[in-house]
This record gives sequence, C-alpha cells and structure tokens, in this order.
Amino acid sequence: DVKVTQSSRYLVKRTGEKVFLECVQDMDHENMFWYRQDPGLGLRLIYFSYDVKMKEKGDIPEGYSVSREKKERFSLILESASTNQTSMYLCASGPGQGYEQFFGPGTRLTVL
Amino acid sequence: KNEVEQSPQNLTAQEGEFITINCSYSVGISALHWLQQHPGGGIVSLFMLSSGKKKHGRLIATINIQEKHSSLHITASHPRDSAVYICAVGPTGNQFYFGTGTSLTVIP
Repeated sequence: DVKVTQSSRYLVKRTGEKVFLECVQDMDHENMFWYRQDPGLGLRLIYFSYDVKMKEKGDIPEGYSVSREKKERFSLILESASTNQTSMYLCASGPGQGYEQFFGPGTRLTVL
Repeated sequence: KNEVEQSPQNLTAQEGEFITINCSYSVGISALHWLQQHPGGGIVSLFMLSSGKKKHGRLIATINIQEKHSSLHITASHPRDSAVYICAVGPTGNQFYFGTGTSLTVIP
C-alpha cells in the first residue's frame, strides 16, 4: 500500500514564526503536492513538484515556499506564519500525469 | 472560478436510503476522481474513471463525458458512510481541480 505521512497531525504556532510541514511518501512517486483545505473552499493547490528540486506554483502560493531535496520528501514552509494561514494542510503524491493522488492524513495548523 | 461543481453541499439521509451526489465540470479531463474524507482529515480515493460506470461494493460511480457530469451513488446507506465526498478532475498537466465537497450524514 502507498503510504504518505505528514510530520504532525496538529500544530499550534504564533504569528511570525517560521513553520515547516514535512511530507514523505514511500512509493517512488514523481509528483508531490501541497494543498490547503478550508470550509466552503475545498482543496486548493499551494505548490507541486514533478521532480527533485523542481517546483511549480499552484493557485495560492503567496506566503509559502517549498523544498524537494529528495524524491520521497516534500516540505512546505511558512516563512512568517499569519493567522489567515490557519487551515488544514494536506500532502499528496502520485505516479504521473492523469493518475490518482494518494493523500496524507493532514496537518491541522492553528496560527495564534 | 469553479471548474468543478458539486451538489448538494449537505445531505442527510436515513439508514438504508439510496443516495446520489452529483458533480459537473467545465474543463477537459483525463480522469474524474471520487474521494472520501472522514472526520479527522484523511482522504482516500474511491474511484478513478474516464468513461462509463464503476462499482465497488455499495458504491457506484458513473460519468457522462459529453455532458461533463458524474454521479456517485450509495445503495443501502449506512452511518459509516457519513463523510465528505469530493469530486476531482484531472485535466492537462499534473494539476487536479476539486469540488468543495458534499457532506453526507446517515442517521441510524
């Protein structure tokens, strides 16, 4: 079974802190994604990566950056957390174009 | 912009009822996905389809490519089916577009 893990299920941070969310997949997938999920808005793509050290902006990249130094690991970074970044963050991976995505359990981030 | 529209947004059913959730999309797709999200966050893929119909247990998914419409049916619904059901489409490239989800509650 494909497994996608995220570093934390729940996280509480203060405004202005630097926040790292990590995602690891064990199926050698090329593609990895970071989404945020907010009530009434559904899943929105923040960034995705189709190869090591490659990244592409999604629909809402402002305030976020990403890092993919190894194929299995994709990190989402909030350089200076703000209260409007309180959300559920979901990581996903997939083997290629048009194929299904496999999701991690999510990290519920609260920024105070 | 809403490339994917789902209806209804919320649905409450009695145990045993037949349930239908609808999804309409406006973009060209390579595949349409139905996802299930239980309270607590984890999302699992139920179906990936590009034509016709698929069945898995009590779940049936259909797609009409010409009408750009898909339905997810649940027969003999059960309280454990209570979850958010999300429709997603995969057009060109690696990006997916997601509906806002249908929150289903099945009452015993």
